[in-house]
Amino acid sequence: EAEVAQSPRYKITEKSQAVAFWCDPISGHATLYWYRQILGQGPELLVQFQDESVVDDSQLPKDRFSAERLKGVDSTLKIQPAELGDSAMYLCASSNRDRGHEQFFGPGTRLTVL
Amino acid sequence: GQSLEQPSEVTAVEGAIVQINCTYQTSGFYGLSWYQQHDGGAPTFLSYNALDGLEETGRFSSFLSRSDSYGYLLLQELQMKDSASYFCAVRESWGKLQFGAGTQVVVTP
Repeated sequence: EAEVAQSPRYKITEKSQAVAFWCDPISGHATLYWYRQILGQGPELLVQFQDESVVDDSQLPKDRFSAERLKGVDSTLKIQPAELGDSAMYLCASSNRDRGHEQFFGPGTRLTVL
Repeated sequence: GQSLEQPSEVTAVEGAIVQINCTYQTSGFYGLSWYQQHDGGAPTFLSYNALDGLEETGRFSSFLSRSDSYGYLLLQELQMKDSASYFCAVRESWGKLQFGAGTQVVVTP
């Protein structure tokens, strides 16, 4: 069964360091999403790609966060510099182009900033 | 403003029926999705309503009333494995979902 892959699963870093997360969506899914989920809350969309183009990054803190999906397949989310408040689960999801209501999530990266 | 409201926690015994309500106020509305998330796991898609009415998928059903900005997820014949968090999510645009804070369902023997 096709799955969304993410790495690393866990990341511990010190504040002011740079971190990067990688996501490989389900093959053929044109739309890729990065979410941040704080414990006890629902996922919050950070950035949405359609193929290689950003279609929504309104909630992405652009002074420190960046995301790319250069070839329209896998994607990288970067934080530089990390802050204590960035500690959270970072989830990647993908969907078919016309089925955004049905998103398939990866296992996530648990980030702890010390 | 934009908001989704759902109860924070529901407790029920095995075999019971649980209804999780979701009211929403968002800038755009294409439909309402429901997701399940077990502790430490990823959200998984359960159901979607774009039109008013009831959608049934096995033991789970979902309902939508667009005029009331309201929907619910019905879990029947509760099993221990149904203990999880359940999120309603509004499809605001063609691909964008806005998630609620989630309802933790606790199933007791």
